[in-house]
Formats: sequence, structure tokens, C-alpha cells
Amino acid sequence: EADIYQTPRYLVIGTGKKITLECSQTMGHDKMYWYQQDPGMELHLIHYSYGVNSTEKGDLSSESTVSRIRTEHFPLTLESARPSHTSQYLCASSPQNYQTNYGYTFGSGTRLTVV
Amino acid sequence: QKEVEQDPGPLSVPEGAIVSLNCTYSNSAFQYFMWYRQYSRKGPELLMYTYSSGNKEDGRFTAQVDKSSKYISLFIRDSQPSDSATYLCAMSQWAGNKLTFGGGTRVLVKP
Repeated sequence: EADIYQTPRYLVIGTGKKITLECSQTMGHDKMYWYQQDPGMELHLIHYSYGVNSTEKGDLSSESTVSRIRTEHFPLTLESARPSHTSQYLCASSPQNYQTNYGYTFGSGTRLTVV
Repeated sequence: QKEVEQDPGPLSVPEGAIVSLNCTYSNSAFQYFMWYRQYSRKGPELLMYTYSSGNKEDGRFTAQVDKSSKYISLFIRDSQPSDSATYLCAMSQWAGNKLTFGGGTRVLVKP
């Protein structure tokens, strides 16, 4: 079944640790996105990619970095976690389609708590 | 001013009532309009998709787009407690373009 997977679902980690949030999709989508969302708040785009070796920063400035070495994989890394990074991180993907726009498929998210 | 405005709610209704949600937007070039439902601690899931103006119905859900007023609506008939969630509108200008999301409206359907 085609889907988008995020791991871990929950992560509690100490300040200063390096973390990588994983996102993989099996749909062959070219485009992938990372959003940050605090509880009850709106989505903020922090990174996106339109294909392998293509990454761009989103509308919200973030200290995280991303890479896109394989089409299906779009990990997000924080070199040194801080309490201000505590949030939910959502990964999404969409196909490259020049005829229409069917929107995004989202993963279930990673809830990150930095203590 | 945000490009897409959505009342954050919460909107509380009794079970069986009609839920009425809406978004206003400022970019008249938007052509693709979507509604997402997001349960607590989950990712958003696509509910409805419409292109340009008009209505679209899918079961208990009806989406309306009024491009002349830059206003879109989502109606949920015969609401159920399981409809309690946050509903986000999203839109884009071109095919393959990034989506612009509203802030979401929290809906509570009380049994």
C-alpha cells in the first residue's frame, strides 16, 4: 500500500543532542515537504524538495537541515536540539503534475520534545 | 494580512447538526482548493478537492468555491462526534504549485 512513513512517532531528547527525523514515501512522488506545527496552531513550511539533490528553505526559518539523496527518502536533521525545537514535525509529499493539483499526502508526524 | 484567513474556532455543534466552515483568501489567482481534516496528534488527510468555482459533494461533505468573493466553504451534514477535528483549507495557483494553508478551524461535535 502506497503511503508516507515518519519515524519516530514520539521522541524525547536532551538539549544539545543531534537528531534525525525520518520520512519515507512509497508513492514515487517527486515533491516532499517538512512542516512544523505547534499544538492547536497552524502549519509552517520549513523545507521542501522538488526532486533528488534539490532542497529549499520554506517560509519559516528553521535551524534544521534536510537532504534528498533518494526520491523516497527526505530526512530532517537538527545538529544540536534545543527546547525551542519542541514541536510536531509533519512530512508530506505530492506528485509532479503539470495538469492539476491533487494536494499533499501527509505522514502521521513526529512529536519532538527537547528537555 | 495572511493570504488565507480561517476562523480558529472552536466551533461547537450538537450531533446531527450541519457544520459550516469557511475560508477567505486574497490571491485571486488561486484555482485549486482543498479541505483537509486533522485529528489530534495526527497528520492532515485530504477530504475534498475542487478546481475553480462551483460545488462538489461527497457523502455528507459539500465543498463550495466562490471565486468572485474569494470565499470557500465546507459543509458537513448530519455531523457525528467522529467529525470532531481541525479542518484546514488549502489552495494553490497552478498545477504542481505549493499549497497555501489556512490556520485551521477546530470543530467539536457533542453527542
